[in-house]
Amino acid sequence: GAGVSQSPSNKVTEKGKDVELRCDPISGHTALYWYRQRLGQGLEFLIYFQGNSAPDKSGLPSDRFSAERTGESVSTLTIQRTQQEDSAVYLCASSLTGGEPQHFGDGTRLSIL
Amino acid sequence: QKEVEQNSGPLSVPEGAIASLNCTYSDRVSQSFFWYRQYSGKSPELIMSIYSNGDKEDGRFTAQLNKASQYVSLLIRDSQPSDSATYLCAVRTSGGSYIPTFGRGTSLIVHP
Repeated sequence: GAGVSQSPSNKVTEKGKDVELRCDPISGHTALYWYRQRLGQGLEFLIYFQGNSAPDKSGLPSDRFSAERTGESVSTLTIQRTQQEDSAVYLCASSLTGGEPQHFGDGTRLSIL
Repeated sequence: QKEVEQNSGPLSVPEGAIASLNCTYSDRVSQSFFWYRQYSGKSPELIMSIYSNGDKEDGRFTAQLNKASQYVSLLIRDSQPSDSATYLCAVRTSGGSYIPTFGRGTSLIVHP
C-alpha cells in the first residue's frame, strides 16, 4: 500500500489480557514511531525505531509495554496484562530517514473492559 | 523537561477570516518546528515545517518562527469550514533524540 497500515483498526479486550498491535510503514521508510493518544489528549511518544534498532525507548510507560521491528519494515507493539488506563488510540508513523514523523497510520483503537 | 504549550481553544473564526494559532516552547536549543492538522477521529497529518526565523508560506498557510521569543505560529488565510480541526505544534531539538515533542493542540472552528 501507499500509506502506513495499522492493524487491527479496533481491539476490545478484557483487563489482564495481552494485545499485539501491528504497523506496516511506507516501503523504504527507515524511521518508525509509536504514539498513544488518549481521548481528548495530545500525542504521547512511546518508542522510535531507526531501522531495526530502537535508540529511544524513553516513552514506554511501563515494562508491560514492548515493541520490536524486523526487516526494517513491520513493527509490533505488545502490551501485556492490559489495564483500563491502556485504553487509547495507538498511532504509528514513519518517515524516510528520521526527524519528524511524516506519515501516520489510521491507528488502532484499543478498549480495555 | 521540554515543554510545548498551546491554547486548547476552541478558537472560533468566521469563514474567510485569518485564523492565528500560537505555540510556545521552553527549550532554547530547539531547532525544528512542525504543524500537524488532525481532523476529529482521524490521524495527524504534517502540514508545515519551519527551521529558520521568519515566515514560511505554503498556499493559505503561513508559519512564523521567532526563536528569541520562543514561539511559533500558524496563520490560515481565507479560513474555510474544512479547516476546522485540531492543530498540533511539535518541536524538535537538534542532536540527541530525533523525537519532536508535541503540544496538546488547539481546536479551530471555522463557522460559515
